[in-house]
Amino acid sequence: SAVISQKPSRDICQRGTSLTIQCQVDSQVTMMFWYRQQPGQSLTLIATANQGSEATYESGFVIDKFPISRPNLTFSTLTVSNMSPEDSSIYLCSGGTGNQPQHFGDGTRLSIL
Amino acid sequence: GENVEQHPSTLSVQEGDSAVIKCTYSDSASNYFPWYKQELGKGPQLIIDIRSNVGEKKDQRIAVTLNKTAKHFSLHITETQPEDSAVYFCAASSNDSGGSNYKLTFGKGTLLTVNP
Repeated sequence: SAVISQKPSRDICQRGTSLTIQCQVDSQVTMMFWYRQQPGQSLTLIATANQGSEATYESGFVIDKFPISRPNLTFSTLTVSNMSPEDSSIYLCSGGTGNQPQHFGDGTRLSIL
Repeated sequence: GENVEQHPSTLSVQEGDSAVIKCTYSDSASNYFPWYKQELGKGPQLIIDIRSNVGEKKDQRIAVTLNKTAKHFSLHITETQPEDSAVYFCAASSNDSGGSNYKLTFGKGTLLTVNP
């Protein structure tokens, strides 16, 4: 199964700034997904990232706020832009290939002051 | 879109007892149903999954059952141990292959506590 690493594991940021989260997979995967998880809550899909094309965003999430890059089959980034306290959350990436299950990283715990 | 309901939200059992978590889904096209375990400070870890062409799957102390007609699926953990304590999420995905290339819709999670 794919092993997924995220950086940073946690950060504390000032409002109005932006943070880029990196997601590295130890093998090539067709699609990668970015989720947000509020403390004690379930996972909400932000977007699906395909290599070589623009990410597909879910309702309520927009590219200007959460730009995503997918330069190759093992790497993706999510930027949280112009952050406010409401963006404090855990951000998770997942990936998989073929009909294999999705595997998750340990997430990035983000706090906005 | 798909909607997944999960019950109960919390479950407390004595060590050695069984635990059952139930989920229902709304989209009859859904054909892949994974279960994830999330420990504090960690990401969700896949523990078992089932596809719509199978009614039951078992892996040691863990089993999942699927009733396509009723659109519900359940996680069964037998002989629970304190290390089973965690939050468990069910999920559903609708696609042709039932594979990882398609987005998952998650339930709200169940906090399982196994008391020694």
